[in-house]
Amino acid sequence: DTEVTQTPKHLVMGMTNKKSLKCEQHMGHRAMYWYKQKAKKPPELMFVYSYEKLSINESVPSRFSPECPNSSLLNLHLHALQPEDSALYLCASSQVAGWGDTQYFGPGTRLTVL
Amino acid sequence: DAKTTQPTSMDCAEGRAANLPCNHSTISGNEYVYWYRQIHSQGPQYIIHGLKNNETNEMASLIITEDRKSSTLILPHATLRDTAVYYCIVRGRSYNTDKLIFGTGTRLQVFP
Repeated sequence: DTEVTQTPKHLVMGMTNKKSLKCEQHMGHRAMYWYKQKAKKPPELMFVYSYEKLSINESVPSRFSPECPNSSLLNLHLHALQPEDSALYLCASSQVAGWGDTQYFGPGTRLTVL
Repeated sequence: DAKTTQPTSMDCAEGRAANLPCNHSTISGNEYVYWYRQIHSQGPQYIIHGLKNNETNEMASLIITEDRKSSTLILPHATLRDTAVYYCIVRGRSYNTDKLIFGTGTRLQVFP
């Protein structure tokens, strides 16, 4: 089973709202990732968590705040977003980070910022 | 920056083999070639990966040239559900080189 789940599927929020995206995997993976994909562009890495610790932040603005409460769960907290942050947010997981293990992606959350 | 070059788009008739090329002329000895695909508005789906030997699984075959500077993903009997953007990615196996850096990919259109 290589399933990564993400909720919600769609999210519409205003620029003053606070919302969270959730990602879950039960494959025993110890690395989890957030990617952002703008329309008609390829996915771009945002964050990497390894053993529940943030290991890579690709210079993402602080209005995006990741959290890894346990090895199965990854959240992305959103606050004061801009309309240009509208995108598909993808979560992925792999057995470990830094060894080239295959990453498995969730279906994504389509975010619209008004 | 992406280390691969792929055609922007390709067409394939249903039932025929789809051969998707990828150029990775600057690949280093310890870097793998990975293929993912993304069906419209879904998350990327892992297809296959290889180092230097040809690989086959239930989805596809991966042919890597002897000099490793290019590869071809083969979908042996394309179906309409194979219509997607296919990404060829070169990645290493050390801490800072195992990032998935997606290029622009090849948009494969399978037609009836």
